[in-house]
Amino acid sequence: QKEVEQDPGPLSVPEGAIVSLNCTYSNSAFQYFMWYRQYSRKGPELLMYTYSSGNKEDGRFTAQVDKSSKYISLFIRDSQPSDSATYLCAMSALDGANNLFFGTGTRLTVIP
Amino acid sequence: SQTIHQWPATLVQPVGSPLSLECTVEGTSNPNLYWYRQAAGRGLQLLFYSVGIGQISSEVPQNLSASRPQDRQFILSSKKLLLSDSGFYLCAWSAAGGLFETQYFGPGTRLLVL
Repeated sequence: QKEVEQDPGPLSVPEGAIVSLNCTYSNSAFQYFMWYRQYSRKGPELLMYTYSSGNKEDGRFTAQVDKSSKYISLFIRDSQPSDSATYLCAMSALDGANNLFFGTGTRLTVIP
Repeated sequence: SQTIHQWPATLVQPVGSPLSLECTVEGTSNPNLYWYRQAAGRGLQLLFYSVGIGQISSEVPQNLSASRPQDRQFILSSKKLLLSDSGFYLCAWSAAGGLFETQYFGPGTRLLVL
């Protein structure tokens, strides 16, 4: 079993829709959770990061962490064509090794 | 602010040829540096990381090697490329110290081995 599981999609939604992207994980030691956005042929760009459980909001983006279920989500409200990209979840334990464990990414297309 | 550069952006090399990819970071000192490979549908695979000049840790045994000749320079090399080395190579940096620091990625190098 992989440490981080992410549905690869692809996911297509109409412009303005609410998008839900999810990852599950198996290692209960993970405490930092990140979402990266990667446009085609570019490096991943950090979108948001959260520590432990709870919600974090930044503009149209909301990150949720449920440690009891080992489940994290990224919600995108009022999705735009410019949101079309691959979204990668990543997570790490607070063990000083600074190792990141990535999901395989979900490819999102927002149709105008 | 910090900036991370990678070059070349794209590279096409024959099997058996050598490889040298370069990564430099500006605007920070003593960063942790990382090399990842991203293959289609397989996510990011950590290849090497470095916490200081000359200090390299290898995560995956293979025909690749890494070096850190200067504080903010990280080089990925191979003496003889294999077909399986094709992929998207990403360099990343994070601040040193603390239990965890977020990693920031460069623009990547797309390598095609023919």
